Amino acid sequence: QSALTQPPSASGSPGQSVTISCTGTSSDVGIYNYVSWYQQHPGKAPKLMIYEVSKRPSGVPDRFSGSKSGNTASLTVSGLQAEDEADYYCSSYAGSIHLVFGGGTKLTVL
Amino acid sequence: EVQLVESGGGLVKPGGSLRLSCAASGFIFNSYAMNWVRQAPGKGLEWVSSISSSGSYIYYADSMKGRFTISRDNVKNSLYLQMNSLRAEDTAVYYCARYMMATMFSDFWGQGALVTVSS
Repeated sequence: QSALTQPPSASGSPGQSVTISCTGTSSDVGIYNYVSWYQQHPGKAPKLMIYEVSKRPSGVPDRFSGSKSGNTASLTVSGLQAEDEADYYCSSYAGSIHLVFGGGTKLTVL
Repeated sequence: EVQLVESGGGLVKPGGSLRLSCAASGFIFNSYAMNWVRQAPGKGLEWVSSISSSGSYIYYADSMKGRFTISRDNVKNSLYLQMNSLRAEDTAVYYCARYMMATMFSDFWGQGALVTVSS
């Protein structure tokens, strides 16, 4: 069982927005602003999309945004495009456990 | 350009050992912490271990403690993962990643090395 809980799947039509949740506890997501999100296409390495809850690395489109409320972090993809179809993973610092990942969400662009 | 290239994967019998290497280039290796993260076939990402830039601070996931050893050679710009007492459930693609230890994210990842534990 993954330490952080993500929905197994999410979907949206091109141009729409979709939000993926990542639920942790008061020992990880709830207490630290060290949530990051990774995109992974089939057979490829993960790619950093969001770090420190809401910061975007250079080169990541501003269609990707992150937020957090309580023990739940969220990744929102606006203006969905076909190339956004991928698996998305959240990660959080977890104190003594150090680092935990979510189980992943498969995003389908309809 | 940041490049991370893993090597050393392969087929090993249960109880056996394997050493993974990760060759880094395109950045000042001794200024960055590094991570190993694995992904079992069809499953999600799982953090394995982290090492600080100097090697002074090391962290392991509970299921790897005592069996896996992370190390680095800042002269050779290389990261290593020594894996002992391997089990079938250790079968996975193992990724090395550059790690921002102060803010807990990995900004560059290698392509991964497949480790298969099977008799």
